[in-house]
Amino acid sequence: EVQLVQSGAEVKKPGESLKISCKGSGYSFTTYWIGWVRQLPGKGLEWMGIIYPGDSDTRYSPSFQGQVTISADKSISTAYLQWSSLKASDTAMYYCARHRGGTYRGAFDYWGQGTVVTVSS
Amino acid sequence: EIVLAQSPGTLSLSPGERATLSCRASQSVSSSYLAWYQQKPGQAPRLLIYGASSRATGIPDRFSGSGSGTDFTLTISRLEPEDFAVYYCQHYGISPGTFGQGTKVEVK
Repeated sequence: EVQLVQSGAEVKKPGESLKISCKGSGYSFTTYWIGWVRQLPGKGLEWMGIIYPGDSDTRYSPSFQGQVTISADKSISTAYLQWSSLKASDTAMYYCARHRGGTYRGAFDYWGQGTVVTVSS
Repeated sequence: EIVLAQSPGTLSLSPGERATLSCRASQSVSSSYLAWYQQKPGQAPRLLIYGASSRATGIPDRFSGSGSGTDFTLTISRLEPEDFAVYYCQHYGISPGTFGQGTKVEVK
């Protein structure tokens, strides 16, 4: 069974750093693109970026380029989303999701349960 | 970057009725790389349709997708109580793979 299990909720202060995780199981982690999607409170879905764990090829949305870093450790089948300096506006739910079919051009067929990030002083 | 505009913003219907949701792209979506997702409160999105018209695994056949180029449609033939949710379209042909703003299907 394909599963993506994300790390737990985080409460941070502005300016702090954070790294959240997404562990894949039940499939070949290195051969499927993994993406990150943001959902602000009460709002829609935003595509942040994707990574191919096999070679760490990464693509970012222009809206998130330079604001976050996406990485992966294929030895432990885990993808990451990290911030070096959080802002209150980063408060959101963050989902990881897998590309269907293992292709660069793929819909998200399996989703993690989401990680709530709250940034408040 | 391709911008997707969904309409209407909210659709008020009764169980058993037909729902028609629209997704219009700012430029042509190559090879119909268009998906539809359903999201219920407190849950992660669920893939319904990919390739504009192919149902994902386990999706009931009352859900169907159609369209090409810049105009796409998700149709729910007869609404079941569990279908009341928010629906998003997404293109994934090029990076970034943007989402539409969503259509909420609510009980009338």
